Amino acid sequence: EVQLVESGGDLVKPGRSLRLSCTASGFTFGDYYVAWFRQAPGKGLEWVSFVRSKAYGGTTEYAASVKGRFTSSRDDSKSIAYLQMNSLKTEDTAIYYCSRPGPCGGDCYSIDYWGQGTLVTVSS
Amino acid sequence: QSALTQPPSASGSPGQSVTISCTGASSDVGGYNYVSWYQQHPGKAPKLMIYEVTKRPSGVPDRFSGSKSGSTASLTVSGLQAEDEADYYCSSYAGSNSPYVFGTGTKVTVL
Repeated sequence: EVQLVESGGDLVKPGRSLRLSCTASGFTFGDYYVAWFRQAPGKGLEWVSFVRSKAYGGTTEYAASVKGRFTSSRDDSKSIAYLQMNSLKTEDTAIYYCSRPGPCGGDCYSIDYWGQGTLVTVSS
Repeated sequence: QSALTQPPSASGSPGQSVTISCTGASSDVGGYNYVSWYQQHPGKAPKLMIYEVTKRPSGVPDRFSGSKSGSTASLTVSGLQAEDEADYYCSSYAGSNSPYVFGTGTKVTVL
């Protein structure tokens, strides 16, 4: 069974840093890119970042709203993805989801597995 | 990249059909066949209902169907059931810098 479990969400002050983790199981983690999304309280979904598989260079992409502040990475040996969040702003307050693409093959831009989410609250 | 436009709400009685639109542009919905639809119940993670415009993942009832015309995609839920009451979001690929652009969301109410 495919599972994604996020951890690391917390209450932090503006300007501080936080690192989220996403622990995967039930599939060959290294074969997939990992995408991060967020959802502010009562709001819609927003793509945050993704990190490609090593087969595609392990490169990363970021939404304009977080570029330069957030960093995605992965440790395939542990089946864990990370989202390092620096210089946090109040508008970063949201539930953060990690996810796996599917069920399409090749270029795939749909998500068939999501974690349960972890809450990040940025407030003074 | 702007959000895709969805109606804020839609409703229908059990057994009826409801169709939700998702309007974008030639740079997203109109330019690629990478439109997905997600269902989200309160407090839960989104669930994929349709991908690549018309395809249903395994386990999704065939009451759910997707289509696209120009820069507008649509999700139709036929034979509405109580458990279909949820928020629905469309998503489209809009280039390597914006691989996931979401719609504004539609709350579906089963009357």
